Amino acid sequence: DIQMTQSPSSLSASVGDRVTITCRASQSIRNYLNWYQQKPGKAPKLLIYVASSLQSGVPSRFSGSGSGTDFSLTISSLQPEDFATYHCQQSYTTPWTFGQGTRVEIK
Amino acid sequence: EVQLLESGGGLVQLGGSLRLSCAASGFTFSSYAMSWVRQAPGKGLEWVSVISGSGDTRYYADSVKGRFTISRDNSKNTLYLQMNSLRAEDTAVYYCAKVERWLDGDWFDPWGQGTLVTVSS
Repeated sequence: DIQMTQSPSSLSASVGDRVTITCRASQSIRNYLNWYQQKPGKAPKLLIYVASSLQSGVPSRFSGSGSGTDFSLTISSLQPEDFATYHCQQSYTTPWTFGQGTRVEIK
Repeated sequence: EVQLLESGGGLVQLGGSLRLSCAASGFTFSSYAMSWVRQAPGKGLEWVSVISGSGDTRYYADSVKGRFTISRDNSKNTLYLQMNSLRAEDTAVYYCAKVERWLDGDWFDPWGQGTLVTVSS
């Protein structure tokens, strides 16, 4: 199975900060990497698909990059509604696997 | 608007069975693969199973293979997950999700609200 490792596991940041979360795959997954945002008690929501494509309706402050084994999600200017947990997921091959999640908290 | 509504969760005894349902609306159900993803309390997301739009192809996580069965009824726009021989580690919120693309860089969008399954001894 492909292991997905996110870092950091959690971070504290202030409104307006630039935040970057990384996700590393245990083998190359081309660009088959997706990012989801999850707020407490809610279902995950798709942010980015195939590494860098912004889902319709998602603010442009979110961006994704990377290919092969190393990927990143960047929030250019953190907003109050962005405090949540972020998950990466590979869809290169089944079993599809997720990272352990990165919790973004208010500093 | 695409909507997914799970049901069927609840408290079940160790070794027991449960069937989850996911009612879909707002899209041509038979044209899309569908998947189940679960999240144990305080933990990350774990993919469980996926089924093709026609229902003829299914994949499972090793952790549920042989115990869980995914199925769908395209005439009822409904996805199912039959869970047998339930273990304590199956305790989780179970989400259904629509799968975009099929075995070519798939992603989950949208997700249902989830249904909680608690396996108790």
